[in-house]
Amino acid sequence: QSALTQPASVSGSLGQSITISCSGTDSDVGANDYLSWYQHHPGKAPKLIIYDVRNRPSGISNRFSGSKSGNTASLTISGLQAEDEADYYCTSYTTYSTVLFGGGTKLTVL
Amino acid sequence: QVQLRESGPGLVKPSETLSLSCSVSGDFVDTYSWTWIRQPAGKGLEWIGYSYINGDTKYNPSLRGRVAMSVDTSQNQLSLKVTSVTAADTAIYYCAKVLSTGWTRWAAFDVWGQGTMVTVSS
Repeated sequence: QSALTQPASVSGSLGQSITISCSGTDSDVGANDYLSWYQHHPGKAPKLIIYDVRNRPSGISNRFSGSKSGNTASLTISGLQAEDEADYYCTSYTTYSTVLFGGGTKLTVL
Repeated sequence: QVQLRESGPGLVKPSETLSLSCSVSGDFVDTYSWTWIRQPAGKGLEWIGYSYINGDTKYNPSLRGRVAMSVDTSQNQLSLKVTSVTAADTAIYYCAKVLSTGWTRWAAFDVWGQGTMVTVSS
């Protein structure tokens, strides 16, 4: 099982929107809606920001949104803020009852 | 509110067994399913395995049978063992709770410990 494919880095200016993609296969991203996104600031624990493709846990800003089409999921962050600068990981439950992480995307806020 | 705290030796010799604990507070450990995740320095997150609410386990096949996870209800904690460690097992290790709202959301880990760094070196 290979890691899900994410761009290594994305950047955006304050106030703008960015989208991070997460590509997988019929055995993971395309198999079910157990697809999550995590925000990870170095030195801190990762934080769940989207689960089940598009659901936000309590306390997560509605600037974060998720979607999926086929074997590709996307995370969109609107109204970029300085504190959004972090690493972002997608995660998918597979048909083998295992979990795959994406390689991670470093978001730089300009 | 559930809180998690990992603990264990920060240094393990090659070929030995890495043993970590994750103390659970705020609820009973047998109320949820749990997971362990690690992050080698400069690399991404890697899923290690599940410890299911029914006591069963499921591991990342890439770890080739070197992993064992368990739950100790008397201590209200989780444990992780990785045998025959090499430098490739050097990482920050996290325990996390699997989100369950109505049903278990298998890719959603909503509570994390702060992580514990483990270095494999002689």
